[in-house]
Amino acid sequence: QVQLVQSGAEVKKPGASVKVSCKASGYTFTGYYMHWLRQAPGQGLEWMGRINPNSGGTNYAQNFQGRVTMTRDTSISTAYMELTRLTSDDTVVYYCARALSVSGTLYFDYWGQGTLVTVSS
Amino acid sequence: DIQMTQSPSSLSASVGDRVTITCRASQSISSHLNWYQQKPGKAPKLLIYAASNLQSGVPSRFSGSGSGTDFTLTINSLQPEDFATYFCQQSYSTPQFGQGTKVEVK
Repeated sequence: QVQLVQSGAEVKKPGASVKVSCKASGYTFTGYYMHWLRQAPGQGLEWMGRINPNSGGTNYAQNFQGRVTMTRDTSISTAYMELTRLTSDDTVVYYCARALSVSGTLYFDYWGQGTLVTVSS
Repeated sequence: DIQMTQSPSSLSASVGDRVTITCRASQSISSHLNWYQQKPGKAPKLLIYAASNLQSGVPSRFSGSGSGTDFTLTINSLQPEDFATYFCQQSYSTPQFGQGTKVEVK
């Protein structure tokens, strides 16, 4: 069965960086784009960007350009999201999600369990 | 950016009720609209994709309709496990989510 397992909660100082991992299993890792999203408590979801695990190609949301880097290691079916120059506004839950596209509609059919990143001095 | 507006932001319902949640896009998005359910402390779960297609394994009491700018998620005969928050998401352009609708116990 498809599973996405993310790394554990992190506590970081303002200005630091965080790297969250997402290990995929149960499907061909290189066959599906992996997206990263985040969610503040009680809020909606915000799309951060995506990576093509096959080519390593990335697309980032404008809000995170210059601050986010998405990578992957195909040998261990794992995607990574690194966010730099953290502020208190980055204290949210981060999710990885596998994407499918049907008739031009992109949707997220499997999600990681989420990783809480807390930014505090 | 395309803005997604859900209504209501919350509603109270009883088991067995029919519940309707709407999602409006700020411009036409054809049928590129998905619905998710989220329970506290959990990741979202896909319910409906491309406006009206039921995701595998999702109970048939969930249905979606609409196209263009106006979309609806309907839950027929609300069950205890359906009390949750529901989000719409457009994929016509950069993925954007609605702010959510919380379905609470009446």
